Amino acid sequence: EAQVTQNPRYLITVTGKKLTVTCSQNMNHEYMSWYRQDPGLGLRQIYYSMNVEVTDKGDVPEGYKVSRKEKRNFPLILESPSPNQTSLYFCASKATLNQADTQYFGPGTRLTVL
Amino acid sequence: AQKVTQAQTEISVVEKEDVTLDCVYETRDTTYYLFWYKQPPSGELVFLIRRNSFDEQNEISGRYSWNFQKSTSSFNFTITASQVVDSAVYFCALSEGREYGNKLVFGAGTILRVKS
Repeated sequence: EAQVTQNPRYLITVTGKKLTVTCSQNMNHEYMSWYRQDPGLGLRQIYYSMNVEVTDKGDVPEGYKVSRKEKRNFPLILESPSPNQTSLYFCASKATLNQADTQYFGPGTRLTVL
Repeated sequence: AQKVTQAQTEISVVEKEDVTLDCVYETRDTTYYLFWYKQPPSGELVFLIRRNSFDEQNEISGRYSWNFQKSTSSFNFTITASQVVDSAVYFCALSEGREYGNKLVFGAGTILRVKS
């Protein structure tokens, strides 16, 4: 089944404790991206990747890191989480860099930072 | 700047009523793509439709229909004969080009509550 998977789905952590949220897609998609969803703000892009070893900042990159060592994986790293990073996170992928392509989303990861 | 506005924060209807969710966008591009996604209570984002800027034909899929009007920069979504299962958050989004990171610019979302 074609899908984007994320782990963990739920995470409660404390300020300053490094964490990684994994994202994997099995569709051989070229483009991958991370968004965060906050009430009243919709979804905002954190980072994106147009290819292996090619990543760039989105609209809200502060406090996050990413890597794309393999085409299928795009982990999101929070080196020192803070309470303002409490949010719902989505990984997404699409087949090519064509603006017309549809982005498909993972199931989401709900993160709480105490 | 690219911007998507969903002015309706929350809508409540009774089952079988028709409901329209509004979406207004701003874009610098002459070619662009608009999307609607549904987020049910379980939390995932489900793709509903994609529309390109050079095709203004309205689209119908079962009880769902979309009205795209370039003149008013709107891409509204209508659910006919709503059902409880339609209760969800609905997002309208605009796709940016490669030079802007290929991101989706989302509206704030509209919460739809359908009561039985």
